[in-house]
Amino acid sequence: DAGVIQSPRHEVTEMGQEVTLRCKPISGHNSLFWYRQTMMRGLELLIYFNNNVPIDDSGMPEDRFSAKMPNASFSTLKIQPSEPRDSAVYFCASRRGEGTEAFFGQGTRLTVV
Amino acid sequence: GESVGLHLPTLSVQEGDNSIINCAYSNSASDYFIWYKQESGKGPQFIIDIRSNMDKRQGQRVTVLLNKTVKHLSLQIAATQPGDSAVYFCAENMMGGSYIPTFGRGTSLIVHP
Repeated sequence: DAGVIQSPRHEVTEMGQEVTLRCKPISGHNSLFWYRQTMMRGLELLIYFNNNVPIDDSGMPEDRFSAKMPNASFSTLKIQPSEPRDSAVYFCASRRGEGTEAFFGQGTRLTVV
Repeated sequence: GESVGLHLPTLSVQEGDNSIINCAYSNSASDYFIWYKQESGKGPQFIIDIRSNMDKRQGQRVTVLLNKTVKHLSLQIAATQPGDSAVYFCAENMMGGSYIPTFGRGTSLIVHP
């Protein structure tokens, strides 16, 4: 298996632009997470899906952030409009089920200028 | 103003020494714990896990110890190698919390040849 696949690996955008990050979880995994990593705050959970349904989105910073999981093999995290403080590395992770380990993608490094 | 980043605890060891990385977790109801290794520019990678019905688990060159009384985990790496240099995170998971991995601040391990 190729593991969790994220795209793009790097994204540089101007403030105010829309940004879409993509994730393909490992086949057969039914849970998906989006995390954000910064030097200031470490690894923070943004949203958790189980069987394609958002279960916990309490970590989504504000209405500018939205996430979807239209099917078991694809998820997006959208920021609109983007701001410089959104600059971070965004990770997607998936797992087979509750009580099992989560596998992480390589991350998307987002820079908003 | 000046930004204050996460100042990660750092452990420096010589190649061949044993390393012990410690982690204090916050929720006494957590019952599943995972250690991850994160190399520069990569996503966190699963190393070993342990459930609360155990107090020790061994893998290849790694051992995890769990002390539920004081809410403490440790990761022991035997015969540390330069390739072990990375940031190590512990993640706690709780059944009542949908087993969403909650990450600690991490420890930077530096192995000197």
